[in-house]
Amino acid sequence: QLVESGGGLVQPGGSMRLSCAASGFTFSSTWMSWVRQAPGKGLEWVANIKQDGSETNYVDSVKGRFTISRDNGKNSLYLQMNSLRAEDTAVYHCVRGGTNFAYWGLGTLVTVSS
Amino acid sequence: QSALTQPPSASGSPGQSVTISCTGTSSDVGGYNYVSWYQQHPGQAPKLMIYEVTKRPSGVPDRFSGSKSGNTASLTVSGLQAEDEADYYCSSYAGSNRLFGGGTKLTVL
Repeated sequence: QLVESGGGLVQPGGSMRLSCAASGFTFSSTWMSWVRQAPGKGLEWVANIKQDGSETNYVDSVKGRFTISRDNGKNSLYLQMNSLRAEDTAVYHCVRGGTNFAYWGLGTLVTVSS
Repeated sequence: QSALTQPPSASGSPGQSVTISCTGTSSDVGGYNYVSWYQQHPGQAPKLMIYEVTKRPSGVPDRFSGSKSGNTASLTVSGLQAEDEADYYCSSYAGSNRLFGGGTKLTVL
């Protein structure tokens, strides 16, 4: 099970930290990802992180603004989002896997608006 | 990092077969056997239906199959059922990136 939290309304230029609590599988053994979906739009991969956190990858549009991290001791995944823009408005899904997105959380809605 | 190209819509009658295409480049779909397909019903999280071009996760009906030729991957749904009506997205490995298609709305007539 993957349960996201931390979404809400934030002003442009603001920051937000998303969290994902994982259970039911060996969290420390799998790549993890964040994938977002703007309202009424398609899926967009945002970032992924290796099992031990030693490798991370980002879509170009968030490089330098977003940071993915994990705490294997707490079975948790995070996404720190800074300098938020209106175009970052989306449901953010926590996903098990780095390439084959095997299981998805329901997501948390982030709305960037003044 | 252009998205993969999918037709916006597809349709078929119950019992028929329908194929959804996903076109990329030699840097993504054509370069790796890491194409996957996802089904999303309204208000629900996406579900993995096919991974590594042709593999089906446990629990996915064998009516769903995947293939690839050159830079184009395809998802075929055979013996269409009402519950197959959903949005379908393809995804591909692309080095340090992961790409999604724009999605195809499958309608069961």
